[in-house]
Amino acid sequence: SYVLTQPPSVSVAPGKTARLDCGGDNIRSQSVHWYQQKPGRTPEVVISFDSDRPSGIPERFYGANSGNTATLTITRVEAEDEADYYCQVWDSSSEHWVFGGGTRLTVL
Amino acid sequence: QVQLQESGPGLVTPSQTLSLTCTVSGDSVSSDNDYWNWIRQPTGKGLEWIGRIYTSGGTDYNSFLKSRVTISVDTSRNQFSLRLISVTAADTAVYFCARERINDAFDTWGQGTMVTVAS
Repeated sequence: SYVLTQPPSVSVAPGKTARLDCGGDNIRSQSVHWYQQKPGRTPEVVISFDSDRPSGIPERFYGANSGNTATLTITRVEAEDEADYYCQVWDSSSEHWVFGGGTRLTVL
Repeated sequence: QVQLQESGPGLVTPSQTLSLTCTVSGDSVSSDNDYWNWIRQPTGKGLEWIGRIYTSGGTDYNSFLKSRVTISVDTSRNQFSLRLISVTAADTAVYFCARERINDAFDTWGQGTMVTVAS
């Protein structure tokens, strides 16, 4: 079945830009959703369909999808952005939802 | 405002059956617009999709669990349920239910319920 690969951790200083990658075979042909999960909390969608931002999500969050990598970019990172981030796609060949392993974003 | 709430035993004996229910408010499990999903997360680990059900009663399951899992819906109670048989310690996790607007992201999640498999 389809595999999504995320780096386990990314660190960034406050005010800088964080880029979180999600790798998958020809992922550009998929629609990628991104979730943020803070410790002890429920996941929350921050980007859907590669680059759509739900209402209430800051404009600092944006997504892109090209080739074999989808990327969630967070600009002007704040301490409150520290969380685990998961990418997700629907694998139509296996009729599965697939999650990446998650990336822990640490704000230094 | 749509809300989902998981309920069920927090402790299950190995080899027995795990049964959880998700009660939906603010939406109908009979909606043609929605799929209803179960996801789990072992402590300190990532999200694992278990399966989903839709209004016709059709289901999709994670192939890793397919032989052990059943998802069903009770429209009279506006609930959907998860049944996982022959559990082991590896099934210990927080179990979430979530709404999916047909192949869209999971826009609403329950708070999650911790299930421990132990004797």
